[in-house]
Amino acid sequence: GESVGLHLPTLSVQEGDNSIINCAYSNSASDYFIWYKQESGKGPQFIIDIRSNMDKRQGQRVTVLLNKTVKHLSLQIAATQPGDSAVYFCAENIGLHNNDMRFGAGTRLTVKP
Amino acid sequence: KAGVTQTPRYLIKTRGQQVTLSCSPISGHRSVSWYQQTPGQGLQFLFEYFSETQRNKGNFPGRFSGRQFSNSRSEMNVSTLELGDSALYLCASSLQAGGENIQYFGAGTRLSVL
Repeated sequence: GESVGLHLPTLSVQEGDNSIINCAYSNSASDYFIWYKQESGKGPQFIIDIRSNMDKRQGQRVTVLLNKTVKHLSLQIAATQPGDSAVYFCAENIGLHNNDMRFGAGTRLTVKP
Repeated sequence: KAGVTQTPRYLIKTRGQQVTLSCSPISGHRSVSWYQQTPGQGLQFLFEYFSETQRNKGNFPGRFSGRQFSNSRSEMNVSTLELGDSALYLCASSLQAGGENIQYFGAGTRLSVL
């Protein structure tokens, strides 16, 4: 029979455009969040993190926004490149020294040249 | 600095067998976590080891176990394999010091159970 899998949200953008990937997290007690990028055949790769005492953090071409009121996290990628095509996961962690990370289902980003 | 190394990369087993997967963390990292990734369930936390002790455990049956050695290397074992255990098993290590808790992942071991 047909297998049922997670239906990954998808985002398709044109090269050079900005991308925004959204994530809703589940636990209001979560105080640390990470965005990961996973390319085909590889393990997740760290992109950027943010603690709950911040609402914005910027990296190279990436910005993470945290809205604790609505338990929402977003990742903004500026000037998206074909190499950015991957599945992006947000992860929440309760407590700095607790590595029980809960991952979202992921969003597949496709960049069209 | 070398990244997280997982061996083997691919493994084929049959139902009822047992399997051991290995993970070498980044040098200096004391925390090692294991995850199962499947198309149906996504990335799920299995357990975490820190200084040879299991510190956290996810919601998996007792057939899934692990251990960590004094050099921080870790192994996970799955006994009495079932078809549903087919997955990508990922290991991640983290420094857990100086406020850094970023987990760095290996490439994973893809297990196929026939």
